[in-house]
Amino acid sequence: RKEVEQDPGPFNVPEGATVAFNCTYSNSASQSFFWYRQDCRKEPKLLMSVYSSGNEDGRFTAQLNRASQYISLLIRDSKLSDSATYLCVVNIVKGVSGTYKYIFGTGTRLKVLA
Amino acid sequence: GAVVSQHPSRVICKSGTSVKIECRSLDFQATTMFWYRQFPKQSLMLMATSNEGSKATYEQGVEKDKFLINHASLTLSTLTVTSAHPEDSSFYICSARDRGGIYEQYFGPGTRLTVT
Repeated sequence: RKEVEQDPGPFNVPEGATVAFNCTYSNSASQSFFWYRQDCRKEPKLLMSVYSSGNEDGRFTAQLNRASQYISLLIRDSKLSDSATYLCVVNIVKGVSGTYKYIFGTGTRLKVLA
Repeated sequence: GAVVSQHPSRVICKSGTSVKIECRSLDFQATTMFWYRQFPKQSLMLMATSNEGSKATYEQGVEKDKFLINHASLTLSTLTVTSAHPEDSSFYICSARDRGGIYEQYFGPGTRLTVT
């Protein structure tokens, strides 16, 4: 089982639609969570951190359910420019040294259609 | 703020040669830098964690003698792919954590390596 799992998609939605992505993680030691956006052949860019209480940034809402070990991202009023791959990222802290690393999901591809 | 650069952005080399990739944090100090590799249609896979002034920590399955990492200063880490083979062709991305930051990583634009 992968440490971070996402539906690869693609999700094809019309402009203006609302779309939701889910992500599950298996390591209960996961401490922080992020959604990154990656455009084709580019580096990932931080979209938003995900907090336990849920958080919103404009049209984007992220939620975390620690008990069920899943994270979600909701995009409202989709724009053409939202077309990209959305990466779920889990940060795991290891040992007393506090070393940590990101574990990436494979990403969910979104295509917003005119 | 939080800009990370990589050089070169694209490199083509012959099998058996070595390639060095540089990763720089431009406007912040990075005690920790990370090197990732991404094959087509796959996710980023962490190769190693690089701490300034100490040896890099490699992930399982990554050969440390093949992928040499040097983190000589708070703003520069280098990855050298030694004796490159066609199967090393990939997108190599570095990231850096701000010295004063918590867990957020900032990514460089990546280096596309093609070994012929």
